[in-house]
Amino acid sequence: QKEVEQNSGPLSVPEGAIASLNCTYSDRGSQSFFWYRQYSGKSPELIMFIYSNGDKEDGRFTAQLNKASQYVSLLIRDSQPSDSATYLCAGFSGTYKYIFGTGTRLKVLA
Amino acid sequence: GAVVSQHPSRVICKSGTSVKIECRSLDFQATTMFWYRQFPKQSLMLMATSNEGSKATYEQGVEKDKFLINHASLTLSTLTVTSAHPEDSSFYICSARTPGTGYTFGSGTRLTVV
Repeated sequence: QKEVEQNSGPLSVPEGAIASLNCTYSDRGSQSFFWYRQYSGKSPELIMFIYSNGDKEDGRFTAQLNKASQYVSLLIRDSQPSDSATYLCAGFSGTYKYIFGTGTRLKVLA
Repeated sequence: GAVVSQHPSRVICKSGTSVKIECRSLDFQATTMFWYRQFPKQSLMLMATSNEGSKATYEQGVEKDKFLINHASLTLSTLTVTSAHPEDSSFYICSARTPGTGYTFGSGTRLTVV
């Protein structure tokens, strides 16, 4: 069973803190990984993607990928209340499909 | 950026009727469109993959006769929920591969079957 797993949360962090969201995957054939943010009742929106081991930074967001450990994470620096949402991790397999995790609900407390 | 326009955003229909959901790619050609369903507080579940000019590929457990997918042009894919039942009530989202990297999602359709 090919899976992408996330802790459902909620993960609560104070405003201005770093939020750390984690994701593990079981399919070693997964080539790239995407982080999406989804507000309640809305469609997911892409935050960033990563396909090489290491870190990738984009503004307040940093994605980290460790293929040996089959682990992907998303760090959000200087968290804002507007960052409160569900964050979906998705692995992109060789069959050109997304496999989504169940999402982690993040709450940023003002 | 690339936009996938999805309509309607909300629809309420009576049990037994059919509902059509449209997804259009604006400013780019979508040779492949993915259709997802999302129940409350759950993740997106891929229902089917549609390819322009050919039959859709359905995921295991998805009834192809109930969820009709048509991808007749490079900019339009439709999902028709036939003989809808209350258990079909869900959030349906399409997604297309966009030029460059990544995939763009439509805005979603909230279907309520009463």
